[in-house]
Amino acid sequence: DQQVKQNSPSLSVQEGRISILNCDYTNSMFDYFLWYKKYPAEGPTFLISISSIKDKNEDGRFTVFLNKSAKHLSLHIVPSQPGDSAVYFCAATPPTSGTYKYIFGTGTRLKVLA
Amino acid sequence: DVKVTQSSRYLVKRTGEKVFLECVQDMDHENMFWYRQDPGLGLRLIYFSYDVKMKEKGDIPEGYSVSREKKERFSLILESASTNQTSMYLCASSPHGQGARYGYTFGSGTRLTVV
Repeated sequence: DQQVKQNSPSLSVQEGRISILNCDYTNSMFDYFLWYKKYPAEGPTFLISISSIKDKNEDGRFTVFLNKSAKHLSLHIVPSQPGDSAVYFCAATPPTSGTYKYIFGTGTRLKVLA
Repeated sequence: DVKVTQSSRYLVKRTGEKVFLECVQDMDHENMFWYRQDPGLGLRLIYFSYDVKMKEKGDIPEGYSVSREKKERFSLILESASTNQTSMYLCASSPHGQGARYGYTFGSGTRLTVV
């Protein structure tokens, strides 16, 4: 039972254009949503998060949108750069105290073409 | 710079061997986690620990055990390695109560191959 789904395994975008990565979830009780970026042979690095009480969070070129009625999360990267080429994972955490166990999606491989 | 260090980047072990994967963090974090990453399956939680000597099973604990004798160190043990445990293993840590907003800090991973 995949509670967090990334239905697009890969995405290619031209440099300078917008990249949109999508994520769907099934549990309306998720408290926080996060995006991670992973380069080959490295561990994932935290990118940006959003609380379930908000619908948008922005950090530089990265913006995360949350649509709670659709149980849908998206990450926008504007403008896309070749260094953004990586695998992106969305993750969600239920409302537990203390230890936050993230549930990860399966990842989307983004390729930004120069 | 804060760090989660995994002792080996690549390991090759034989079926039936007992395998130890070590993880050390220098951030004084209470929470530590072991995940495995497989193509098409994303990251799946094996075990986590929220304090010294405390551990809880994640989603796929079968065939694994863990040890946390010191706050900074969290070990994953494959009791009898099997080929279906060939994977990328990722250790992570987070401070108590803050992980939801700021995320985990991950190590670089250990690519384990069981032959």
